[in-house]
Amino acid sequence: QVLLVQSGAEVKKPGSSVKVSCKSSAGTFSSYAISWVRQAPGQGLEWMGQIIPFFGTTNYAQRFQGRVTVSTDESTSTAYLELNSLISEDTAVYYCARSPGDYVPQDYFDYWGQGTLVTVSS
Amino acid sequence: EIVLTQSPATLSLSPGERATLSCRASQSVSNFLAWYQQKPGQAPRLLIHDVSIRATGIPARFIGSGSGTDFTLTISSLEPEDFAVYYCQQRSNWPVFGGGTKVEIK
Repeated sequence: QVLLVQSGAEVKKPGSSVKVSCKSSAGTFSSYAISWVRQAPGQGLEWMGQIIPFFGTTNYAQRFQGRVTVSTDESTSTAYLELNSLISEDTAVYYCARSPGDYVPQDYFDYWGQGTLVTVSS
Repeated sequence: EIVLTQSPATLSLSPGERATLSCRASQSVSNFLAWYQQKPGQAPRLLIHDVSIRATGIPARFIGSGSGTDFTLTISSLEPEDFAVYYCQQRSNWPVFGGGTKVEIK
């Protein structure tokens, strides 16, 4: 069983940045892709980007290019999402999620974190 | 970008009834289609991947079918815990989710 535990809720000002963490209990953290998916209040799911820790390779959804960074710290089995230039529309629950597939992600999500609410408000 | 359109937006049914949820892709996604269930305040849960393969621990009443651009999630007989929002997701290129179908108690 893989457990993904995310950091706590954040309140941010417009124009600032937020960094959310996702710590994995899995022993083989580095070979599985971790994605970030967000959900605005009352809305659907939106994929933002992913990283394969072993290779350090990242892929981002086009609409977030240049504003989002996904990274990992393999020593602590933790993935991070950093989102810059926050606007009110970035208010959402942010989830980390693992893709099955050793080294080659299959891009669906079998384990999810509990979610982190990020509120952007002046 | 591939767009996934789910219908209906809301499905009102009673326990024991059959639920049929549709997901249509704007272009072929081959068999790279997954379904998730989400309950209020919870993270999504993977039900089915690659059109019809149930994830670990998912009951047999959840049935996925389809190919190319048209896909269906059937819940053969609704249990009380099945009332939730369901999302389809394609992974033909980067991951994209449909808008969701809410299955509510009639």
